[in-house]
Amino acid sequence: DGGITQSPKYLFRKEGQNVTLSCEQNLNHDAMYWYRQDPGQGLRLIYYSQIVNDFQKGDIAEGYSVSREKKESFPLTVTSAQKNPTAFYLCASTLQGSGEQYFGPGTRLTVT
Amino acid sequence: KNEVEQSPQNLTAQEGEFITINCSYSVGISALHWLQQHPGGGIVSLFMLSSGKKKHGRLIATINIQEKHSSLHITASHPRDSAVYICAVFFTGNQFYFGTGTSLTVIP
Repeated sequence: DGGITQSPKYLFRKEGQNVTLSCEQNLNHDAMYWYRQDPGQGLRLIYYSQIVNDFQKGDIAEGYSVSREKKESFPLTVTSAQKNPTAFYLCASTLQGSGEQYFGPGTRLTVT
Repeated sequence: KNEVEQSPQNLTAQEGEFITINCSYSVGISALHWLQQHPGGGIVSLFMLSSGKKKHGRLIATINIQEKHSSLHITASHPRDSAVYICAVFFTGNQFYFGTGTSLTVIP
């Protein structure tokens, strides 16, 4: 079955530690996205990538980093520079230009 | 300013009621999506619209391009429809913008 997987579902970290969230898709989609969701707010774009080895900052990229070494994979690192990292993180992908976005199940990150 | 505005923010209905959720957007778009998010967080796409109307089971989505407005209707609502419904718009350049969501609770 084609889809997007994110792991883990729940992640707990101590303040000051970097943490990497996994996102893998087997849909052969070109574009991949990372969003952050906070209570009472819409999804906000962190980073997106339209092709391998290329990515662009979204609206709230500060404190995050990404890589796109393979078409299927778009990991997100939440660095210690991110002031409020506790949130729900969603990965998504689209076939280039199709406008139809598929979402992963999300990772809930808690930093204490 | 958020490019996408949804209303209402919260909605409680009795089972069987007809429900309408509204979405307005401020700029020209390529497509509009209605998404459903259940507790636990996973998001599924219900509809993608660029014009007119689409129907799937008890769900109906409409869009008026001139007025920059879309509605999601649920007929004969059921407790299993309880979820957050999110409007998202797709602009050229492969970027999406999302409304803040409408939290729907359907009471038996």
